[in-house]
Amino acid sequence: EVQLVESGGGSVQPGGSLRLSCVASGFPFSSYSMNWVRQAPGKGLEWISYITRDNSIIRYADSVKGRFTISRDNAKNSLYLLMNGLRAEDTAVYYCARDWQWHFDYWGQGSLVAVAS
Amino acid sequence: QSALTQPRSVSGSPGQSVTISCDGSSSDVGNYNYVSWYQQHPGIAPKVIIYDVTKRPSGVPDRFSGSKSANTASLTISGLQAEDEGDYYCCSYAGSNTWVFGGGTKVTVL
Repeated sequence: EVQLVESGGGSVQPGGSLRLSCVASGFPFSSYSMNWVRQAPGKGLEWISYITRDNSIIRYADSVKGRFTISRDNAKNSLYLLMNGLRAEDTAVYYCARDWQWHFDYWGQGSLVAVAS
Repeated sequence: QSALTQPRSVSGSPGQSVTISCDGSSSDVGNYNYVSWYQQHPGIAPKVIIYDVTKRPSGVPDRFSGSKSANTASLTISGLQAEDEGDYYCCSYAGSNTWVFGGGTKVTVL
């Protein structure tokens, strides 16, 4: 069974940093590209970052470019999102999602990040 | 990276059909046959119900169908059921390994 489990969320002050993790199981993690998608409270989904299986291509949405860094460790079946310079508008549930043929076929349960003073 | 445009809400009675539109541009929906649709119930992660405009993943009922014309994609739910109530999001590949979502549509079963 494919499973994606996020962790690392929490409360942080504006300007602070946080690192999210997503541990994968039930499939060959190193064979799949991965993404981060977020959802602000009561709002819609927003794609924010993508990484290929071999780290060769990395992409970010304009809203997080220069502040967030996606990475992965295939040996640990793990995906990461380092978030620096956090703003109130970054408050959201952050999902990791597996990429398969240009859509997101499996999602984690999400990790809540709250940015407030 | 402008969001795709969806109606805020649609509703229908059990057994009826509803259609959700998803308006994009020639840079996303109109340029790629990589439109997907996601169903989300409160407090739960989204679930893909349509991908590549018209394809249904295994286990998704055939009352869900997708289509596309020019820059607009559509999701139709035929034979609406109570469990179909929830939020629906369209998503399009936008080139260069980026994606864009719609704002979401709340489906209410009357």
